[in-house]
Amino acid sequence: LAKTTQPISMDSYEGQEVNITCSHNNIATNDYITWYQQFPSQGPRFIIQGYKTKVTNEVASLFIPADRKSSTLSLPRVSLSDTAVYYCLVGDVGDDKIIFGKGTRLHILP
Amino acid sequence: KAGVTQTPRYLIKTRGQQVTLSCSPISGHRSVSWYQQTPGQGLQFLFEYFSETQRNKGNFPGRFSGRQFSNSRSEMNVSTLELGDSALYLCASSLGAYVRGEQFFGPGTRLTVL
Repeated sequence: LAKTTQPISMDSYEGQEVNITCSHNNIATNDYITWYQQFPSQGPRFIIQGYKTKVTNEVASLFIPADRKSSTLSLPRVSLSDTAVYYCLVGDVGDDKIIFGKGTRLHILP
Repeated sequence: KAGVTQTPRYLIKTRGQQVTLSCSPISGHRSVSWYQQTPGQGLQFLFEYFSETQRNKGNFPGRFSGRQFSNSRSEMNVSTLELGDSALYLCASSLGAYVRGEQFFGPGTRLTVL
């Protein structure tokens, strides 16, 4: 059971880099790590996915240490529109107990 | 390309009734997953369908069921509704396995049980 633990909330300021860490001590060998963003009254939106080391796309980077027991979502130069809930998801095909967790409520201040 | 659509968007039912929610995935997507979202429990996985077969199921009672049609459209059904079933029900589609790659979520169906 790949349970995830994230901070409940975080505050930051526009233009700053924000790092949100997710702990997943029981991650299995085949599990992938995925991050989603959710705005109020909308469905979650995929941000990034990775298996190990570092993954970068146009909106974020995902850092995964060698032991894979945690992962860090990095959002460069955040803006007010990045205020949302961010979910870390860990799992693999056939895992019937995928847990999204409560997510991290990120609040960006001007 | 049209996104994931869910109908209806809002629904009010009373205890004991049953409800059917519908989800149309993005064209070409074969995997459809369902989630329940509540303020207290957050996002919880219900089940996933791939090519008309239920491939994975979360920890929900048998009152929650679903199916997928040959065109990949999916329905979920909740029988004997309870007050605690009030939630936002989200559907997501993906090309392949729901935990590999990007899932595209619909806007959800807000179910209120009175």
